[in-house]
Amino acid sequence: AQSVTQLDSHVSVSEGTPVLLRCNYSSSYSPSLFWYVQHPNKGLQLLLKYTSAATLVKGINGFEAEFKKSETSFHLTKPSAHMSDAAEYFCVVSRPISLQGAQKLVFGQGTRLTINP
Amino acid sequence: NAGVTQTPKFQVLKTGQSMTLQCAQDMNHEYMSWYRQDPGMGLRLIHYSVGAGITDQGEVPNGYNVSRSTTEDFPLRLLSAAPSQTSVYFCASSRTSGGQSYEQYFGPGTRLTVT
Repeated sequence: AQSVTQLDSHVSVSEGTPVLLRCNYSSSYSPSLFWYVQHPNKGLQLLLKYTSAATLVKGINGFEAEFKKSETSFHLTKPSAHMSDAAEYFCVVSRPISLQGAQKLVFGQGTRLTINP
Repeated sequence: NAGVTQTPKFQVLKTGQSMTLQCAQDMNHEYMSWYRQDPGMGLRLIHYSVGAGITDQGEVPNGYNVSRSTTEDFPLRLLSAAPSQTSVYFCASSRTSGGQSYEQYFGPGTRLTVT
């Protein structure tokens, strides 16, 4: 069965320093992986997705993630944090749930990112 | 193009009351789904639909009903509200085609409190 584990429930960094949000996944076959961001009292927005093309995936707002099959990891990084990056981040794996091609999203528990001035 | 819309934004119910959370999308997406978000648990799938007239259960379907009479709308009904259903509810939609993982677009959420 597909699952994801986000290794940190809370990460705090200073503005201008690098961000690392860690995610390990479990999947019985080649997975599709996503990172979503949720700003306070808002819906979820897709940051980036991996679907078996390039292992280094670039997303919006300067974020990127690297798929490492040997480590079953999909960590999210950003070289320099900005105050607007403060939000909850979810690592997500998808799996097919019907013949019509629908995909179920399985969410990690979330990592809250705090940016210190 | 409004994307995915949800109403109401906030709702307070008493135990035993019923209500319907509305969800609509204008992107002609075949796939629609409902999730609930609880602290420390990410989002969990309640029900989903792959087209008009086709629905199925997710991880946590008990206490909820859905139907899909049109491509655009996917309402979620709480039959008899319980305090355990206090949560934030998100509706999402996406394309479906050949098993590919397309981006799911989320609505802004409905914050439900059951007293």
